[in-house]
Amino acid sequence: QQKVQQSPESLIVPEGGMASLNCTFSDRNSQYFWWYRQHSGEGPKALMSIFSNGDKKEGRFTAHLNKASLYVSLHIKDSQPSDSALYFCAENTGNYKYVFGAGTRLKVIA
Amino acid sequence: EAAVTQSPRNKVTVTGGNVTLSCRQTNSHNYMYWYRQDTGHGLRLIHYSYGAGNLQIGDVPDGYKATRTTQEDFFLLLELASPSQTSLYFCASSGHNSGNTLYFGEGSRLIVV
Repeated sequence: QQKVQQSPESLIVPEGGMASLNCTFSDRNSQYFWWYRQHSGEGPKALMSIFSNGDKKEGRFTAHLNKASLYVSLHIKDSQPSDSALYFCAENTGNYKYVFGAGTRLKVIA
Repeated sequence: EAAVTQSPRNKVTVTGGNVTLSCRQTNSHNYMYWYRQDTGHGLRLIHYSYGAGNLQIGDVPDGYKATRTTQEDFFLLLELASPSQTSLYFCASSGHNSGNTLYFGEGSRLIVV
């Protein structure tokens, strides 16, 4: 069974700081990866996807993928209080089953 | 943005009771999913479907049935609810490519007493 491990479980960063979230996966056949963000009381929403090795930048958010190392990360630059949320990484091996990690709870303090 | 609507948003039932959670998506997506969210476990897949009449087993299916009646509608059924099924349930949908993003509803909170 596919497994996705996220770290850390929780993270506190100062406003304007850098937040780094990590994810490892177990299936070398995994092809597609996402980061989802969930604010309190809402459903998860896709933040960004990454399908190729290397970095992908969207505004203040940068995702990094290394399939050989079974590793994906998310870096949030210039963190804002509105970034405080639960973050999930998710993978898909191409079989339409999306597997999620347990989540990282990020708190950005002013 | 894709729209996925769940009902009810909150439900309390007794042990042994019957519960049906409903989900409707209005984006003509082929795939629909039911997940449960529990602290420490993240989102775990219960059942999913690629079209009307189809059902695929997820990773935590025990105690749950599901039915996809139309392309838009996907139902999760708990026929003998147990306290272990107290959870936050999410429905999601996606298009027909594996690289498609999942779109989630707002969730249904179920408490089994």
